[in-house]
Amino acid sequence: ETGVTQTPRHLVMGMTNKKSLKCEQHLGHNAMYWYKQSAKKPLELMFVYNFKEQTENNSVPSRFSPECPNSSHLFLHLHTLQPEDSALYLCASSQEARGGSYEQYFGPGTRLTVT
Amino acid sequence: GEDVEQSLFLSVREGDSSVINCTYTDSSSTYLYWYKQEPGAGLQLLTYIFSNMDMKQDQRLTVLLNKKDKHLSLRIADTQTGDSAIYFCAYQGGKLIFGQGTELSVKP
Repeated sequence: ETGVTQTPRHLVMGMTNKKSLKCEQHLGHNAMYWYKQSAKKPLELMFVYNFKEQTENNSVPSRFSPECPNSSHLFLHLHTLQPEDSALYLCASSQEARGGSYEQYFGPGTRLTVT
Repeated sequence: GEDVEQSLFLSVREGDSSVINCTYTDSSSTYLYWYKQEPGAGLQLLTYIFSNMDMKQDQRLTVLLNKKDKHLSLRIADTQTGDSAIYFCAYQGGKLIFGQGTELSVKP
């Protein structure tokens, strides 16, 4: 148990559906992240939120839409996905401090399958 | 550019030592990390080392850093079947940059 929870753990959706992934951290951290993990590829950083402000968007298609209503919650809204978007989506949080380490704590992930 | 290289697979016998290697390109990295991912789970932080250190030991884990060669290794002593997982090396260069992961298989 890392203090970061994700729901749902598994999701199967059609290409025309709209769904949302949810992440919650109970660690009092000030930064949250979405990563995509596909088979045989390095972890891909998608979005970063620092103090609820989006600080990074790594050229992610607009069919993925993040939302960070407060420093403890992070959502990833999905619509009109493609089969190649099937992957494990990981949420992480960290406490960022200038000059310090900001080790990230990961949730268990949501296994997404797009049919 | 940002790049982290790891070999994809390592197989050892239970009780042996495992050494997982990683090379990176960014010489300005401050912290380097090792994460473990078990099947069906997220990444778990195992240990990290500050770039001005060359070794860190934590129970069965030993991290060695050769900053000149930009080479990081993780040694697991007395490897157990429960150590079977994917191990990710990462460095902190503004954001965390991860390698592809090394799948460690421990045979009884």
